[in-house]
Amino acid sequence: EVQLVESGGGLVQPGGSLRLSCAASGFTFSSYWMSWVRQAPGKGLEWVANIKQDGSEKYYVDSVKGRFTISRDNAKNSLYLQMNSLRAEDTAVYYCAREGIFCSGGSCLDYWGQGTLVTVSS
Amino acid sequence: QSVLTQPPSVSAAPGQKVTISCSGSSSNIGNNYVSWYQQLPGTAPKLLIYDNNKRPSGIPDRFSGSKSGTSATLGITGLQTGDEADYYCGTWDSSLSAEGVFGTGTKVTVL
Repeated sequence: EVQLVESGGGLVQPGGSLRLSCAASGFTFSSYWMSWVRQAPGKGLEWVANIKQDGSEKYYVDSVKGRFTISRDNAKNSLYLQMNSLRAEDTAVYYCAREGIFCSGGSCLDYWGQGTLVTVSS
Repeated sequence: QSVLTQPPSVSAAPGQKVTISCSGSSSNIGNNYVSWYQQLPGTAPKLLIYDNNKRPSGIPDRFSGSKSGTSATLGITGLQTGDEADYYCGTWDSSLSAEGVFGTGTKVTVL
C-alpha cells in the first residue's frame, strides 16, 4: 500500500525557517517525480515544487523561489522541503504527493499524504 | 493566484448530472494534459481523472473528463450525496516559469 506521511509542520515566526519531511513507503520511491502542494486555510490548492527521480531537475512556483528548496534522499525514501524566510502568506497545510508514472504529462498526482500544517505568525 | 478558472459552485439533485469547466491558456491546458481532483471535507485531494479523460483504477465511470483547446470539463453523472466535495483541475504551465497549476476550485452541492 502506498503511503506518504508528512511531518515537520508547526508554528514559526515570520522570517523563520522550517524543514518538512515526507516518508514514502509501499512503492519504489526512486522511480517517481515527487511534489509539494499547499492549501491555505479555507483556500484552494497551490502547487509549490517538484523534483525529478534523481534530483537533477527541480521546479518551483514563483512565490517561493529563492526561499524554499525541495530535495530528496532515495536511500531513505524521503522527500523534503526546506522553507526559509517564511511569511504569513506561507501559512497552509503542506501536502506531499507522488506524480503518476502512468501519466502522459501535465502533472498528475496520484497519491497524497495527509498533510502537515505550517503556521507563520508572531 | 490560480491561472485556471473554475466556477465557484455547482449544484444538482441526487441522480442528476453536473459539469465543471476549467479555463486556461495555450501555455497550460492548450499544450498539456489535464487532471481532476476531488477533495472531500477535511481530507487530502484524490485523483479522479488524468490525461484529460482517463480514470485511475477504482474511480467509477460516473466521472468523466474532456478537453477542447484551452478548456477542460469534468462531468459527474448519477450524482450522489457522497460526491459533495471541492473539485480542482490541474496541469502543467509551460511558460517561462514552468510550474504546476491548479484551478480555483468548484464546490459541488447535492441538493
